[in-house]
Amino acid sequence: TQLLEQSPQFLSIQEGENLTVYCNSSSVFSSLQWYRQEPGEGPVLLVTVVTGGEVKKLKRLTFQFGDARKDSSLHITAAQPGDTGLYLCAGSGGGADGLTFGKGTHLIIQP
Amino acid sequence: GAGVSQTPSNKVTEKGKYVELRCDPISGHTALYWYRQSLGQGPEFLIYFQGTGAADDSGLPNDRFFAVRPEGSVSTLKIQRTERGDSAVYLCASSLNRGHIYNEQFFGPGTRLTVL
Repeated sequence: TQLLEQSPQFLSIQEGENLTVYCNSSSVFSSLQWYRQEPGEGPVLLVTVVTGGEVKKLKRLTFQFGDARKDSSLHITAAQPGDTGLYLCAGSGGGADGLTFGKGTHLIIQP
Repeated sequence: GAGVSQTPSNKVTEKGKYVELRCDPISGHTALYWYRQSLGQGPEFLIYFQGTGAADDSGLPNDRFFAVRPEGSVSTLKIQRTERGDSAVYLCASSLNRGHIYNEQFFGPGTRLTVL
């Protein structure tokens, strides 16, 4: 069974600070996706990483896939209240199979 | 609509009743997925359709759960003899599934099921 562990589970910081959240597994994934979910809504895809060591940037968000394709990180620079939400990582074993999700990181950015 | 739609948005039922949850995927998406998200947890995979057929139903928890996609578009998740432990948000996702490794899935807003 493939498992993804996310840390921290909860994070509350002030506007303008930087933060990093982690997604770790003992399994290798073909691709890994990061989603953001707000209360009462479905997860919204932020990025997909597929190559070991790959780094992708989305404005103030930087995503990295580990060299061995077992882990990933999300770094947010100068966090803003609009970044508040549940951040989920999800791994794919390949093809079109169902995704394996972590439990998520609940992020609160205080003004 | 442009995105995945799910109906109803909320469903309250009594223990032992039968419920149906509907998903309308993004037009042209051949793959459709059902997930269940319990409070404080990430989504948990239930079943995946490629066209009309269930390609992987390994996540269905027991035989009270069943899903269909008769015309390869809209899907219905059916739960018989509901139990209080079935209370969760049921999410549907769809994907183009062009056979490459990205496997990017786009989610609907979910149906919140409450079993009293």
